[in-house]
Amino acid sequence: AQSVTQPDIHITVSEGASLELRCNYSYGATPYLFWYVQSPGQGLQLLLKYFSGDTLVQGIKGFEAEFKRSQSSFNLRKPSVHWSDAAEYFCAVAQGTGGFKTIFGAGTRLFVKA
Amino acid sequence: DTGVSQDPRHKITKRGQNVTFRCDPISEHNRLYWYRQTLGQGPEFLTYFQNEAQLEKSRLLSDRFSAERPKGSFSTLEIQRTEQGDSAMYLCASSLWDGVRFLAWSSYNEQFFGPGTRLTVL
Repeated sequence: AQSVTQPDIHITVSEGASLELRCNYSYGATPYLFWYVQSPGQGLQLLLKYFSGDTLVQGIKGFEAEFKRSQSSFNLRKPSVHWSDAAEYFCAVAQGTGGFKTIFGAGTRLFVKA
Repeated sequence: DTGVSQDPRHKITKRGQNVTFRCDPISEHNRLYWYRQTLGQGPEFLTYFQNEAQLEKSRLLSDRFSAERPKGSFSTLEIQRTEQGDSAMYLCASSLWDGVRFLAWSSYNEQFFGPGTRLTVL
C-alpha cells in the first residue's frame, strides 16, 4: 500500500532563511507526488506536482521540490522564507485512474520567526 | 468562478444526531471528492464521484456515512447517529477529468479543495 511519511511534525525557521521540508513515500511504481499548503481557515492549495521528466519541479510562491527515486524522497525547498509562509505543509501521492485517491502525509507545521 | 464552497463551515451536534454537509464544486468539474481530516493528521480519502456516479468508497466510510451527488453538480455527505470519533474537518474537492488519456498522467487535473466543514460531536 502506498504511504507518505513526513518525519518532521513542526519546523521553525527565521525569516529570510532557507527551508527544506522532508517527505518520503512508499510506492511500487512511478509515484505521482504533490505538495500542498494549508493555512488556518483556508483550503488546501497545491504548491507543485511531479509526474515524470525533470526531477526538479518548480511551484508557486517560490517553492521547488526534487524527486529522488533512489531515496524515495520528494523534499520541498525554498531559498528564502517569508513570514507569510507559516502554515501546514502536506506531501501527497496519488493513485487510481487520474489520481482520484490522494494519500497525504501527516503534515509539517512551519513556524517563521522574525 | 468562486471555487469550491462548503456549507456549513462549522457544525456542533450532540452524539446520536444526524448531520448533513453540502459541497458545491467548481461548475465545470465532473469529479468530486470527500476527505476527512482529524487534528494533527493529513486528509484521508473517503469517496469520490464522477458526475453522479460514486465510483470509490474508502473502508473509512462506515454504513453510517452516505454521500450523494444526484445531478452531478453539488454533493451531500450525511452522517447518521454521530459519534464523538466523527469529530473532524470534512473537506471537499473537485477536478476536471477528461477521461481521454487515462493512462497519460499529463492529463491529471488538479483537485481544488474547499475550506472544509468542521464537525464537533459533543
